[in-house]
Amino acid sequence: ETGVTQTPRHLVMGMTNKKSLKCEQHLGHNAMYWYKQSAKKPLELMFVYSLEERVENNSVPSRFSPECPNSSHLFLHLHTLQPEDSALYLCASSQAPGVSYEQYFGPGTRLTVT
Amino acid sequence: AQSVAQPEDQVNVAEGNPLTVKCTYSVSGNPYLFWYVQYPNRGLQFLLKYITGDNLVKGSYGFEAEFNKSQTSFHLKKPSALVSDSALYFCAVRGDSGAGSYQLTFGKGTKLSVIP
Repeated sequence: ETGVTQTPRHLVMGMTNKKSLKCEQHLGHNAMYWYKQSAKKPLELMFVYSLEERVENNSVPSRFSPECPNSSHLFLHLHTLQPEDSALYLCASSQAPGVSYEQYFGPGTRLTVT
Repeated sequence: AQSVAQPEDQVNVAEGNPLTVKCTYSVSGNPYLFWYVQYPNRGLQFLLKYITGDNLVKGSYGFEAEFNKSQTSFHLKKPSALVSDSALYFCAVRGDSGAGSYQLTFGKGTKLSVIP
């Protein structure tokens, strides 16, 4: 499970704060993903990066801002969040973004917005 | 549009008995199907996938899944359940046609409880 790491594991922030989530993959993969996991809802894909270029943005509010400085690191910058943004945020990576490649997930960051 | 249905929110099975977690799907084109497992406070772990070829796919921890094209199903199975198999299981699908989306669609998950 150390292939994809995420920090912090838990985060509590106020609605006016700015914070960042970090993800690092040690698998030599070229694609990275952000997902949101809320209770009793399917995983929601937020962003996809392929070779550091954003290739998919699933109508995510602008208060979430991703950054991918290289193929091993992925950030999610957060600002002026809403209580409904409280969820588990999962990072994943895969060899490439193609349909046949399985994704490897990090442990997630449990975010609580107060 | 692609979709996945996991009709059971929870499945209970006695230790040592066979288990089945159900999944049906809808996609455009050929399906690429995946099963993941999530233990408490952990991320999702890849179990197995169907891309093409044999309809019976074998994966990690003794799990297998059977692809049935006519029934659009991809049920997860294990011959003998262990207490340590208790977790949340997700089926996911992506079709090979459509406009270049990387979206992997997940089901809502099925909680498996193996009773000692």
